[in-house]
Amino acid sequence: DAGVIQSPRHEVTEMGQEVTLRCKPISGHNSLFWYRQTMMRGLELLIYFNNNVPIDDSGMPEDRFSAKMPNASFSTLKIQPSEPRDSAVYFCASSQTQGVVGNEQFFGPGTRLTVL
Amino acid sequence: QQQVKQSPQSLIVQKGGISIINCAYENTAFDYFPWYQQFPGKGPALLIAIRPDVSEKKEGRFTISFNKSAKQFSLHIMDSQPGDSATYFCAARDSNYQLIWGAGTKLIIKP
Repeated sequence: DAGVIQSPRHEVTEMGQEVTLRCKPISGHNSLFWYRQTMMRGLELLIYFNNNVPIDDSGMPEDRFSAKMPNASFSTLKIQPSEPRDSAVYFCASSQTQGVVGNEQFFGPGTRLTVL
Repeated sequence: QQQVKQSPQSLIVQKGGISIINCAYENTAFDYFPWYQQFPGKGPALLIAIRPDVSEKKEGRFTISFNKSAKQFSLHIMDSQPGDSATYFCAARDSNYQLIWGAGTKLIIKP
């Protein structure tokens, strides 16, 4: 298995531009998570999906952020318009939520976003 | 009540020493306690995990000690090696199968 795939790996954009981050979860996993990591705030959960349905988006910082999961193999996180304070590493993770086995989250390599 | 408090924020240990990272929680409904390890430029990866019905779990040089009555758990790394230098996150799973994350500990092992 290729693991969780994220693209792009690096993104540099100017303030005000739209940014779209992409994620392909591990096949068979039914939960998908978007995280943001910064030095100041650590690892923050932005939103998570279960069976393609958004369950908790309370971590989404503001309306400029939106996430979709149109099918079990693809999700996007969009920032429009982007601001310098959005600069961070964004991780996507997937897991098998249900069942008695511990729901290990498998993380992708992350997208390093820089907003100038 | 949903918080997981992790300490210390950073830790420097000599090669061969024991590294200890501590976490505390309040929610007694948490039922699964993993530790994740993150190397620079990579995403976190599961290192070791424990359920609250056991007090200790050991995998190689890594041990989780769990104190249910005190609502605390800790990660011990024996014979710490420079390759163990990474950021370590504790977490706890709630009744919605959500992981509640600690703030992370940056561990540096000095040769």
